Amino acid sequence: NAGVTQTPKFQVLKTGQSMTLQCAQDMNHEYMSWYRQDPGMGLRLIHYSVGAGITDQGEVPNGYNVSRSTTEDFPLRLLSAAPSQTSVYFCASSLQGRRGYEQYFGPGTRLTVT
Amino acid sequence: QQQVKQSPQSLIVQKGGISIINCAYENTAFDYFPWYQQFPGKGPALLIAIRPDVSEKKEGRFTISFNKSAKQFSLHIMDSQPGDSATYFCAASGVDSSYKLIFGSGTRLLVRP
Repeated sequence: NAGVTQTPKFQVLKTGQSMTLQCAQDMNHEYMSWYRQDPGMGLRLIHYSVGAGITDQGEVPNGYNVSRSTTEDFPLRLLSAAPSQTSVYFCASSLQGRRGYEQYFGPGTRLTVT
Repeated sequence: QQQVKQSPQSLIVQKGGISIINCAYENTAFDYFPWYQQFPGKGPALLIAIRPDVSEKKEGRFTISFNKSAKQFSLHIMDSQPGDSATYFCAASGVDSSYKLIFGSGTRLLVRP
């Protein structure tokens, strides 16, 4: 199993540009989440999904869109990038259940907006 | 509003020493408290987690202590090793919503040889 994969690893955008961060998991996990990590602030939840076709907002959703058309994929879209979105983005997945509390994180995408 | 407060921000420990990281939470609805370990350039990985029905959980050199009345929990790393040098995050959520973790701000641990 590859686990949770994210592409690209690094990206530089100009203000106003759009892009999609890709996330895929091969563990058949129902639950997927996007977090951003900023120095001194830990990880903050952007959006999450509890299954294909179902998404909801987290703590910091503004400026980001998500969709979940399949169990495996959960892309994060930046419609008009801003310097405040410079961050490291992590995708995570989990199998909810009596034992399935662990979130598995991908390796991250480092995004710089100039 | 920071729902999970973590301290210290950084910690330096000698090899063989005990590393202690503390967290406090506000929301009494939280009932799942994991600790994640993150190495540079990698995603966080679950280290150990606790539910509030127990006051302590131990896995190898890693122990979580939990104080429900004080709304505090801590990570103890016994016999700290240079390979433990990493950033540690505490987190909290409802037990049925562990996909919506609230993270602390992180502690950068350096274990000197």
